[in-house]
Parts: sequence; structure tokens; C-alpha cells
Amino acid sequence: EAGVTQFPSHSVIEKGQTVTLRCDPISGHDNLYWYRRVMGKEIKFLLHFVKESKQDESGMPNNRFLAERTGGTYSTLKVQPAELEDSGVYFCASSHLTSGGDGTQYFGPGTRLTVL
Amino acid sequence: AQTVTQSQPEMSVQEAETVTLSCTYDTSESDYYLFWYKQPPSRQMILVIRQEAYKQQNATENRFSVNFQKAAKSFSLKISDSQLGDAAMYFCAYRSVGTYKYIFGTGTRLKVLA
Repeated sequence: EAGVTQFPSHSVIEKGQTVTLRCDPISGHDNLYWYRRVMGKEIKFLLHFVKESKQDESGMPNNRFLAERTGGTYSTLKVQPAELEDSGVYFCASSHLTSGGDGTQYFGPGTRLTVL
Repeated sequence: AQTVTQSQPEMSVQEAETVTLSCTYDTSESDYYLFWYKQPPSRQMILVIRQEAYKQQNATENRFSVNFQKAAKSFSLKISDSQLGDAAMYFCAYRSVGTYKYIFGTGTRLKVLA
């Protein structure tokens, strides 16, 4: 079974530019999550999709960030326009849709974003 | 709000020795889940071990075990017989029963010395 994949692995952009990150969850996983780790700090939750619907977007920093999950499969996270403080590693994770259980999340390798 | 604290930014262990990574958390909830994840350099984060708060028995996965002290809100990870492949960043995470999102600590970088 293929794991969660993310593209690109690295992205270096200038302040003010636009970047789009992509995440492909594990096949059959209805839950998809985005997290971000700023250098040296904790990994912070950004948002949660159930299929194509945003279940919780309480962690999104501001309206420069737009996440989509058309068709309930892969997801994209667009940052427009990028600012210096957006630099960090963006992780995607997925899990089964279950009403109970520990809801273990399976993570991708992350996209390292550097904004210059 | 819940918080997770990993007070050791970096740890080193000699190959074949045992090391313990600490994690404390703060919550007013009685039931929740705790996780340790490992992220090797440039690779994806993988689940090492999980613990359900209502289970008093400490979880164990091969060379990895936890010391779960619910009253003290402590969830340390013990790695026995350390191997070079254990070198990674280790993250402790908390999840409430009623939500899906994880709350992470800042991570501990583990170096394994040959």
C-alpha cells in the first residue's frame, strides 16, 4: 500500500509569489490533514478535510492560505502571496473515517517551503 | 487548551544502549490518545507507538516502550538496544477523543553513536 505522498519535496520562492503544495493521501482514507512546522517549533494543525469538505480549518493562519480537495482525493494547499513567515515544513496526513478508535494519522514526508 | 512539551531538543545514545525521551502534556480531559512518531532525515514521519489513556498498561512495540504516568501527565518513550536506524526526530503527540487533530511537541532529535 502506497503511503501519503507530497509534492514538491522542496520549494524556494520569492516573497510575494504563489506556491501550491500537493498531497496524495493513502487510497481509501477519507480524512486528510495539513500541518506545518516552523523551524524549531512544534508541528501545528492547519486544517482537516473529510472527503471534499473542510471539517476544521481553525489552524489556517490567514486568508493567504487556501486548501482544496476536489473530488475527495488529493488536496492542494496554495499560499498566495507568500510571506517570509510562511517558511517551514508542510506535512500532510490521512486517516480512515471512523467514529471511534484512535484515528491514527499517516504522514507524508513533508514539503519544505523557503520564502526569500 | 492542551499542550505537549518535549524538554529535550537533542539526545545522544550509544549503539546498543537504552535511551528515554521525555514528553509531558497538559489536559483537563480524562480520555485521550498519545502517540510517538519518528521522522528519519528526509523521510516521512512514521508511527512508533500509541497509548490510549484509559488503558493503564504501558504500550510496547518491540524495542520501543512507553512509561505512561497519567496522574503526572507524562508519556516517555524508551528505546532499548538502540540501532543506527533509530536516529531521527521524535515527536510526541496528543489527540482528544472528540477531535481528530493532533497536538504536537517540539520534537527531540536523537543521535545514535556507533
